[in-house]
Amino acid sequence: RKEVEQDPGPFNVPEGATVAFNCTYSNSASQSFFWYRQDCRKEPKLLMSVYSSGNEDGRFTAQLNRASQYISLLIRDSKLSDSATYLCVVLPDTGRRALTFGSGTRLQVQP
Amino acid sequence: DGGITQSPKYLFRKEGQNVTLSCEQNLNHDAMYWYRQDPGQGLRLIYYSQIVNDFQKGDIAEGYSVSREKKESFPLTVTSAQKNPTAFYLCASSIDPRGELFFGEGSRLTVL
Repeated sequence: RKEVEQDPGPFNVPEGATVAFNCTYSNSASQSFFWYRQDCRKEPKLLMSVYSSGNEDGRFTAQLNRASQYISLLIRDSKLSDSATYLCVVLPDTGRRALTFGSGTRLQVQP
Repeated sequence: DGGITQSPKYLFRKEGQNVTLSCEQNLNHDAMYWYRQDPGQGLRLIYYSQIVNDFQKGDIAEGYSVSREKKESFPLTVTSAQKNPTAFYLCASSIDPRGELFFGEGSRLTVL
């Protein structure tokens, strides 16, 4: 089983739609959780950290469910500029001090 | 401006040749990382370093080597032992492993 698993998509949604992505992680003792955004052929950039209490940044909401070991990202009022690949990232508690990336979920927002 | 610089951006090499990818940061970060990305896949960890003169293997270290002689620099050598070296290589740094990773723009290696 992969440490971090995501639905690869693509998710094709119209502008203005609300879309949600889920990500599951295998190590129950994982410490830190993030969503990164990666545009085609570019480097990933931090979108937001994910906190236990859930957190919101404008149109983006991230949730963490430790009991079920999943993280979610909700995007409201999708814009064309949201089209990208969204990477779920976890710091597993394995003694290795480096982030583990999921394969990413591709989002395509259409006019 | 602070950041991470990777070079070269594009590199072509013949089979059997070693190549070295450069990564320099002026963010004063202790931790540095090398990831590899193949088309349609996530990032896989090659090597990481928490401090100067120390580094650890990641998930796919075979066929790669690194050094960390200076805080600012973490070069990656792709050796001829790496069976499928064609990929997008990303260098990153962070203040702390629990915090944000800052990436360079990446190096695209193609083996002919």
